[in-house]
Amino acid sequence: DGGITQSPKYLFRKEGQNVTLSCEQNLNHDAMYWYRQDPGQGLRLIYYSQIVNDFQKGDIAEGYSVSREKKESFPLTVTSAQKNPTAFYLCASSSGQGGMGGYTFGSGTRLTVV
Amino acid sequence: RKEVEQDPGPFNVPEGATVAFNCTYSNSASQSFFWYRQDCRKEPKLLMSVYSSGNEDGRFTAQLNRASQYISLLIRDSKLSDSATYLCVVNIDGGYQKVTFGTGTKLQVIP
Repeated sequence: DGGITQSPKYLFRKEGQNVTLSCEQNLNHDAMYWYRQDPGQGLRLIYYSQIVNDFQKGDIAEGYSVSREKKESFPLTVTSAQKNPTAFYLCASSSGQGGMGGYTFGSGTRLTVV
Repeated sequence: RKEVEQDPGPFNVPEGATVAFNCTYSNSASQSFFWYRQDCRKEPKLLMSVYSSGNEDGRFTAQLNRASQYISLLIRDSKLSDSATYLCVVNIDGGYQKVTFGTGTKLQVIP
């Protein structure tokens, strides 16, 4: 079955450490997105990519980096510059422009700073 | 004013009841609208798109009121399995970046 796979499900990061969250899709979708969800807040866009080798900053890109070397993959690195990284991270993809056809989400990664 | 606003709830309703949620949006140029369902500690899943003429999917009905700038979701004959948080999503300009998620309305269906 087609879908989006995120790993790991849970991740613990020490202060000053960079960590990378994986996102792989086999839906043949062109667009991929990374969102962050905090309690009581809506999803906030970190980065998005419309095509391979191209990506754009979202509303809260500071302290994060991404790459899009393959259509299927859109990993997110949370760097030590991100001062409050504890959150639920969701990767999504869409076939239509700007999510006009709706998003498909992965099951998410819960990142905790220890 | 927030771009997309929802009553956080919780809405506590008995099984079999009808419940409705509204979501207001601030940008009159907004182009597309969706309702997503999110279970506790899970990812959001698309429930339904909201069309200008309104649309229905089984017990669920979505409406768009452009004049008053809100969308609504009506759930008839509520089931225990409907308990979740319902997110309103608005695509403001048809582009990739201007998709705004509401903070969600929590529904708890009680036996």
